[in-house]
Amino acid sequence: DTEVTQTPKHLVMGMTNKKSLKCEQHMGHRAMYWYKQKAKKPPELMFVYSYEKLSINESVPSRFSPECPNSSLLNLHLHALQPEDSALYLCASSRSLIGLAASEQYFGPGTRLTVT
Amino acid sequence: EDQVTQSPEALRLQEGESSSLNCSYTVSGLRGLFWYRQDPGKGPEFLFTLYSAGEEKEKERLKATLTKKESFLHITAPKPEDSATYLCAGKGGSEKLVFGKGTKLTVNP
Repeated sequence: DTEVTQTPKHLVMGMTNKKSLKCEQHMGHRAMYWYKQKAKKPPELMFVYSYEKLSINESVPSRFSPECPNSSLLNLHLHALQPEDSALYLCASSRSLIGLAASEQYFGPGTRLTVT
Repeated sequence: EDQVTQSPEALRLQEGESSSLNCSYTVSGLRGLFWYRQDPGKGPEFLFTLYSAGEEKEKERLKATLTKKESFLHITAPKPEDSATYLCAGKGGSEKLVFGKGTKLTVNP
């Protein structure tokens, strides 16, 4: 099973709202990722967690706050977003970041976020 | 700086008309070259990983190959359900996947 699940599928929020995106995998993967994808563009990396510790933050604004409660779960907390933050938010996981050979990332279906 | 370039940006084929998508890369210390398929509004679906020049992998009508500078995704006798955007990505010394901009494939019946 190579499934990564994400909830919700769609989210509409105002600029003053606080919401969270959730991601789950049960493949025993120890690396988890958040990406942002705009229309007709490739995914853009936001955060990487390795063994539940934040490994990479791609200079993402503080209105996006990631959290990795355990090895299967990844959250993205949203607060005071701007309309330009509207996008498809993708979660992914891979076996690990360690090793000479890179392991493939498996993506979830995404959360379509609209900020009004 | 690591870079991945895909061509063409868009490709229209008739059903059964075989073709190839190109992915040129300059990724320092390549540790993996990945192909994904993405349908509109959905997450990328993993297709193949290639690790070294000369490697080939196949799945149904798709075959991926790797040289020291390029990767090709060959599509044999495509069907309309193969229509999607195909993404190529490389991973080198950093922990980031470097994506190309994708090739949008349309297969007409």
